[in-house]
Amino acid sequence: GAVVSQHPSWVICKSGTSVKIECRSLDFQATTMFWYRQFPKQSLMLMATSNEGSKATYEQGVEKDKFLINHASLTLSTLTVTSAHPEDSSFYICSAIGPPTYFGPGTRLTVT
Amino acid sequence: GENVEQHPSTLSVQEGDSAVIKCTYSDSASNYFPWYKQELGKRPQLIIDIRSNVGEKKDQRIAVTLNKTAKHFSLHITETQPEDSAVYFCAASTTPGTASKLTFGTGTRLQVTL
Repeated sequence: GAVVSQHPSWVICKSGTSVKIECRSLDFQATTMFWYRQFPKQSLMLMATSNEGSKATYEQGVEKDKFLINHASLTLSTLTVTSAHPEDSSFYICSAIGPPTYFGPGTRLTVT
Repeated sequence: GENVEQHPSTLSVQEGDSAVIKCTYSDSASNYFPWYKQELGKRPQLIIDIRSNVGEKKDQRIAVTLNKTAKHFSLHITETQPEDSAVYFCAASTTPGTASKLTFGTGTRLQVTL
């Protein structure tokens, strides 16, 4: 099946700094990718739809200026958490294509 | 937008018994309903899915049923085993363009005891 990778798998950063998470489709082209966030013991919540060559579409309640998404190529979407705070600590997962949907392995972000 | 409700939130069964998890969705445009198993710290793993033109699908010990009229779908696991213990999520999806946009249920923590 299709492979989606994410980097880094985990990251610890200090409050106020920015963190970039990469999502790559390794063996296929993805014009659309999705970014999800999962807090401990909770469900996955869709944050935004990443569209190659155009602006991302954000779900209600997600700050587009805080979570910057760039989908500059058909195999790479990036999520940058700007001015991260402890409440941004979460598990971030990207997905591509579907059905069926292929998920990246996720990135555990911890903001201290 | 789509809203998916899932019950129960926790489920404990004895090994060999059956487990049933139920979900309801709100958007009649949803046309794809996958079920995922997620272990701690890992990505969701697709275990079975069903499309809106099918009422039931089975894969060995796992089956899913869909009632489009009532907008609900269920996961059935028979002959449960300890390795079935995990968190299970249902999801409903539309497919805008070339990818599935998933709305997840709240999850069910299944515990299979010996």
